[in-house]
Amino acid sequence: DAGVIQSPRHEVTEMGQEVTLRCKPISGHDYLFWYRQTMMRGLELLIYFNNNVPIDDSGMPEDRFSAKMPNASFSTLKIQPSEPRDSAVYFCASRYRQGAEAFFGQGTRLTVV
Amino acid sequence: DAKTTQPTSMDCAEGRAANLPCNHSTISGNEYVYWYRQIHSQGPQYIIHGLKNNETNEMASLIITEDRKSSTLILPHATLRDTAVYYCIVRAHLTDNNDMRFGAGTRLTVKP
Repeated sequence: DAGVIQSPRHEVTEMGQEVTLRCKPISGHDYLFWYRQTMMRGLELLIYFNNNVPIDDSGMPEDRFSAKMPNASFSTLKIQPSEPRDSAVYFCASRYRQGAEAFFGQGTRLTVV
Repeated sequence: DAKTTQPTSMDCAEGRAANLPCNHSTISGNEYVYWYRQIHSQGPQYIIHGLKNNETNEMASLIITEDRKSSTLILPHATLRDTAVYYCIVRAHLTDNNDMRFGAGTRLTVKP
C-alpha cells in the first residue's frame, strides 16, 4: 500500500478563496482523522470519521471549515472562505480498528495570503 | 483521555541511549500509553504502545512504572536521524472515544 495520500502537498491561495484538501486513507482502514499543525498551537485534532461517519468535529475551528467522507477511500477538508490565520500544515491519518496505530500522510502545507 | 506531561526538550549524544520520560498520573485502567514521533516536515510516525508490561520492538523500548503513572521511551542507540519531536499519548481501546490528541511533545536533539 502506498500509505495515506494527501493532495496537494502545497497550496497557496488568496484570502477569501475556497480551499479543498484531499485525503486517501489506507485501504481497509475504518478511522480517518484530520489534524492541523501550527507553531503556536501544535498538532490539533479537527475531526475524525468512523466508517465514513463523522464522530467528533469539536475541533473544527469555525463554520468556515467542513469535512466530508463520501466513501471509504476519500475524504475532503474544505475551508470557505479562507483567511491568513488558516495557514498551517494539515495532516490526514487513518487507522484500522480501535486499538491499532495510526498512519499519517505527508501533509498539505497551506498558505493563505 | 488522560493528559500527559513531557519535558519540552532534551539532548542526547549519538550512539548513547535516549530516555524520554512521560507523566500520566491520571491514567485510567483501560488506557494505553502510545508514543509517536515527528521528524521535521513529516507526518507523525507510530513508535510503540503498551498497557502495563514493558514493550520492545525494532525501534524502541517502553518502560511503564508499576503504578502506571509514568513511562519512559528508550531509544537504545540514538542516531542523528532520531532527532524529532516525541509525543506521549494515553488513550483507551474499545471505547466510543477513539480520538487521538497530541500534546506539545519533547523535542529530542541527537548531537554528534
